[in-house]
Amino acid sequence: SQQGEEDPQALSIQEGENATMNCSYKTSINNLQWYRQNSGRGLVHLILIRSNEREKHSGRLRVTLDTSKKSSSLLITASRAADTASYFCATEETSGSRLTFGEGTQLTVNP
Amino acid sequence: KAGVTQTPRYLIKTRGQQVTLSCSPISGHRSVSWYQQTPGQGLQFLFEYFSETQRNKGNFPGRFSGRQFSNSRSEMNVSTLELGDSALYLCASSFVGGINEQFFGPGTRLTVL
Repeated sequence: SQQGEEDPQALSIQEGENATMNCSYKTSINNLQWYRQNSGRGLVHLILIRSNEREKHSGRLRVTLDTSKKSSSLLITASRAADTASYFCATEETSGSRLTFGEGTQLTVNP
Repeated sequence: KAGVTQTPRYLIKTRGQQVTLSCSPISGHRSVSWYQQTPGQGLQFLFEYFSETQRNKGNFPGRFSGRQFSNSRSEMNVSTLELGDSALYLCASSFVGGINEQFFGPGTRLTVL
């Protein structure tokens, strides 16, 4: 079963706009990771945030983590058409090394 | 470093057959995990192997099995295939000893007819 819930399920924006995706989870975690997937291909690791971190940046990506609310957000700034993909959050629980994925957000960036 | 490789990339089988998928992790990575992705169930964890031992297992029937070799390469096997086993099977490797950042392969697309 999926631990995470992501919203929105789908997001359509124009190039240059910012895109924000949210993820909620249920259990205690070691870390939370965000992945991108293009058209049913492999997952590309974007960023990892540890449970004791609140915010992390990587290029145009900004991730926040609120462990009290069990939620995270991924912000992509100045989006490009090439950012069109599905984005998944995944949590590594404190009980083990497996990743539990959310249902994903389908992002479409229109040129 | 070369990324995670999976073979074959595409596979078509019929119900009742069995299938073996292969995964070669990134050099130096000792943990290999397998995931199944379907439109209905999303991404679900199958199992994880570390040092040739299954360390973690998801909620899948016994028809799904795997193993890991001394060079960290891993195989998963599905016996008595069912239509519902049609999915993208993803393998991920990680370097155990710190943060468990997982690197995924391109996947094997299995179609069961």
